[in-house]
Parts: sequence; structure tokens; C-alpha cells
Amino acid sequence: NAGVTQTPKFQVLKTGQSMTLQCAQDMNHNSMYWYRQDPGMGLRLIYYSASEGTTDKGEVPNGYNVSRLNKREFSLRLESAAPSQTSVYFCASSEGPAGEQQYFGPGTRLTVT
Amino acid sequence: AQSVTQPDIHITVSEGASLELRCNYSYGATPYLFWYVQSPGQGLQLLLKYFSGDTLVQGIKGFEAEFKRSQSSFNLRKPSVHWSDAAEYFCAVVLTGGGNKLTFGTGTQLKVEL
Repeated sequence: NAGVTQTPKFQVLKTGQSMTLQCAQDMNHNSMYWYRQDPGMGLRLIYYSASEGTTDKGEVPNGYNVSRLNKREFSLRLESAAPSQTSVYFCASSEGPAGEQQYFGPGTRLTVT
Repeated sequence: AQSVTQPDIHITVSEGASLELRCNYSYGATPYLFWYVQSPGQGLQLLLKYFSGDTLVQGIKGFEAEFKRSQSSFNLRKPSVHWSDAAEYFCAVVLTGGGNKLTFGTGTQLKVEL
């Protein structure tokens, strides 16, 4: 039981390049989330998917797109990376209903030069 | 504006000393409340959560937290800190009726002196 997995662990991009961060969970959870973590700012929600087939914007969605590929997988895409997107990205999942514990992946450290 | 505040950016305690990390929120209604811990280079792990009922909540690793409605606070405590508790601690809330979207505080970095 791997929980929440993320790939890659590290990535360096040049400004304007694109990439997709992958996330998968094996807990049969309905809801999945993408956060970014920046020093002194805690974690901020980028996008979330309350259930398979639905996605919604979080607090900081600009510059990102997401795809809920199936119940297990939720990917985050940067179409044209900018230095402001340098951050650590975390994927999380939960059973769904409000207040349920979210389980976090190990994170992807992204640097945009 | 609705927010979660962790007033202490850094805290240093000696091993064996007691610990209290502060968390305040500003919402009209009582939200669901959480404390998460993040060890260096790791994801977040849930320590405890409060939904309703008993205002003193027990969590893992010997941590507890007390919800005080009158103070809009949810402070985390531990009677005796261990060196392995050094980490970053995040308070988070979910608004009732707001799905399961977590709003995090900015975190408190705990250093433990041996």
C-alpha cells in the first residue's frame, strides 16, 4: 500500500517550458488535491477534484491546469513555466466528505530558471 | 478576511520541556480544525483533528490540542518534547459547507535543543 505517490521528485525547467506533475493514490479515495508550498506561506490549494470527473479551482490556480484521469490519478500541468512557479508541490487525497483526513504525497521540488 | 494565523514562526525548546504552539482562526462559524506535522523533505502527516464534542483532542505522538471557541484558538500541546519532534507544524481548517478544502496557517518551525 503505497498511499499517495508523486513523480518526479525533482525537476528543473527553463522559463516557458511545459511539464506535467503526476499523482496517484491507491486508497480508493474520491477526492484529490494539488497544493504548492512556499517559504513563509504554508500550503496553498491550486486545484482540487471532489470526485472523479470533476475539478475546481483553489486559491492559486493561475498558470496551472489539472486532469482527473481516473479515480486514482490526478495530474497538474504547467503550460508555460514561470520563475514564480518555483515551489514544492504536494498532492493529497481524501475519502471525500468535509473534514476527512487528507493524505499527502512526498512532494515534487520544481525550480524554474 | 477569513484566515488561519500561527503567530510563532520559530520556536526553540529544550528536550523534555513542555510545548505549546498557537493557532487562531477567523471564521464566522466553527470550522473543522487540524494539526499537521512536516519533517524535513517529507510530506505532511496528520497529528489530530477536531470536529465537535470534547474540546480537548488527543493525537498521535503524545500531542493534544484544545479548541477554545471564545478565543477562536486551537493550540497544540505536548507535555515533554523529544528531539524527534523537531519539524514544522501546520494548523489547518476546513470551513463547514466548504467541501474538504484545507486552508493552512503559515507554519511554526520547532527546534529542539538537547
